[in-house]
Amino acid sequence: EVQLVESGGGLVQPGGSLRLSCAASGFTFSNDWMGWVRQAPGKGLEWVSNINQGGSERYYVDSVKGRFTISRDNAKNSLSLQMSSLRAEDTAVYYCARWIDSSGAFDYWGQGILVTVSS
Amino acid sequence: IVLTQSPATLSLSPGERATLSCRASQSVGSSLMWYQQKPGQAPRLLIYGASNRATGIPARFSGSGSGTDFTLTISSLEPEDFAVYYCQQRNNWYTFGQGTKLEIK
Repeated sequence: EVQLVESGGGLVQPGGSLRLSCAASGFTFSNDWMGWVRQAPGKGLEWVSNINQGGSERYYVDSVKGRFTISRDNAKNSLSLQMSSLRAEDTAVYYCARWIDSSGAFDYWGQGILVTVSS
Repeated sequence: IVLTQSPATLSLSPGERATLSCRASQSVGSSLMWYQQKPGQAPRLLIYGASNRATGIPARFSGSGSGTDFTLTISSLEPEDFAVYYCQQRNNWYTFGQGTKLEIK
């Protein structure tokens, strides 16, 4: 059974940093693209970032470029999102998801982790 | 690419047929997905490639369309189908529609 479990969320002040992690199991992690999708409270879904199998390709939505960094550790089946210079508008539930390159679909999702940026 | 979903809210009864629309601001070919999200839960992939059901998705869910106009149809609503539905494209980065809330009438 595929499982994705996020951790590391919480309350952070504007301008601060936070690192999210996602522990993957139930599939061969190193074979798949992975990504992060977020959802502001009461709002819709927004793609944040994707990373390829080896970590050599990384893509970001414009609003987080230069502030967020996606990375992965295939030995530990782990995905991370380092977030810095956080803004109030980054407040959201962040989902870790497996991304299928052939279709562009996010086929498995974690339960999500809340990040709140507030003073 | 902007995805516009309609209607924003759809009120139907169990057993009825639901038709949800997603329109793209420019062609996405068949690179269109549909997701279902229930309160407090993560989204679940229903349809990929505009018309292919994901693993474990019941046959009452079907997708159609290409280019700029897409439809998700639920042939006969079950109580568990009342949720928010999102479309997503992958032709030009990855964007989602604003969602259609399917509520019980």
